[in-house]
Amino acid sequence: GQNIDQPTEMTATEGAIVQINCTYQTSGFNGLFWYQQHAGEAPTFLSYNVLDGLEEKGRFSSFLSRSKGYSYLLLKELQMKDSASYLCAVGPLYGQNFVFGPGTRLSVLP
Amino acid sequence: GAVVSQHPSWVICKSGTSVKIECRSLDFQATTMFWYRQFPKQSLMLMATSNEGSKATYEQGVEKDKFLINHASLTLSTLTVTSAHPEDSSFYICSAPGLAGRHDYEQYFGPGTRLTVT
Repeated sequence: GQNIDQPTEMTATEGAIVQINCTYQTSGFNGLFWYQQHAGEAPTFLSYNVLDGLEEKGRFSSFLSRSKGYSYLLLKELQMKDSASYLCAVGPLYGQNFVFGPGTRLSVLP
Repeated sequence: GAVVSQHPSWVICKSGTSVKIECRSLDFQATTMFWYRQFPKQSLMLMATSNEGSKATYEQGVEKDKFLINHASLTLSTLTVTSAHPEDSSFYICSAPGLAGRHDYEQYFGPGTRLTVT
């Protein structure tokens, strides 16, 4: 089976940095994915990690440690529009479904 | 990137009626599509895997006779909620995986369909 855990809610200030953690226990693993979802909208892809280490994409970075079953998403220079839910998902690489974590609702305050 | 559309974007229906939701891959072929359901303030829960030309695979606890899935072509999957009830009110999202041959690891999501059953 698969178990994925994330904090339920987080609050941060505009311009700050926030780290959203994700821990997982899975019977199989081929990739850890992060999605952003605004209320009432579909998720949008942010990043994925297949190997250990840090992947950086602009203001967003994602880290993975496979031995620890741990990932985090780092958001820098927070903007009000970053207020959303952030979902981590574990899944095979090709053609199969993801298993999503419960999501973290991030509120960015002025 | 690949584009997935859904129709309708929202629908209100009366209890006991059936509703069909379409999911289309616009610029690529998808032999597999996934249907998710999302209740307010909750994460996406996989309902079923839609396979082109064969029967869908349903997750445990999902009634296959209530949620009919048809994947008749490489670009279209449909989900029909039969005899809908208020507890079926939810946000339904489809997705299609990226193409293995292109090392495309994403899942491409449709914009979702908000179903309200009165």
